[in-house]
Amino acid sequence: EVVLTQSPGTLSLSPGERATLSCRASQSISRSHLAWYQQKPGQAPRLLIYGTFNRAAGIPDRFSGSGSGTDFTLTINKVEPEDFAVYHCQQYSSSQYSFGQGTKLDIK
Amino acid sequence: QVQLQESGPGLVEPSQTLSLTCTVSGASISSAYYWSWVRQHPGKGLEWIGFIYSSGTAYYNPSLGSRVVISFDTSKNQFSLNLDSVTAADTAVYYCAVVPTINRWFDAWGQGALVTVSS
Repeated sequence: EVVLTQSPGTLSLSPGERATLSCRASQSISRSHLAWYQQKPGQAPRLLIYGTFNRAAGIPDRFSGSGSGTDFTLTINKVEPEDFAVYHCQQYSSSQYSFGQGTKLDIK
Repeated sequence: QVQLQESGPGLVEPSQTLSLTCTVSGASISSAYYWSWVRQHPGKGLEWIGFIYSSGTAYYNPSLGSRVVISFDTSKNQFSLNLDSVTAADTAVYYCAVVPTINRWFDAWGQGALVTVSS
């Protein structure tokens, strides 16, 4: 089983700042099998990034993904007020999925 | 665009079976997707439960052991989750979600259904 660990647990920033969220895997995973989701209170998760660095349809270009092996990063350039939410990373390996515990991005 | 909607009891007694159904629109349940269930305990992260493929093959999270079964009903274009012997630890929001088999990420999600396990 691949365990994903996200850090930090909570990230407090002001609008306009850059957010850097980390997702570390317990073993190496394929770049094509790593995704990020945004979740706002009371809502289902929404796909943001797939295959490590590809933005899903309608996602602004201030969101970007990078990484390989066991270390992956979601970056939000110039955080907007609507970006304050919880972010989850997800991996797929050997017909099994797993998620990280989430990073909450909140307003400083 | 695939759309999903969960339905089922919002309250289940301990030791009973939790049963939820996901109604699919915008695609046939026989199409090449992984029809999936994911849950989220209150205030916690997401936990993958399992998925079923159109062939009927299913894969489950080992942490749930043999308590979970996912099945589908092609005549109703629905797939279902059954979780046996529930406890308070199974209280969560349950989401159905879909993965196109050429991908490895969840393209669409239902709105979620809160299930509380309590007597």
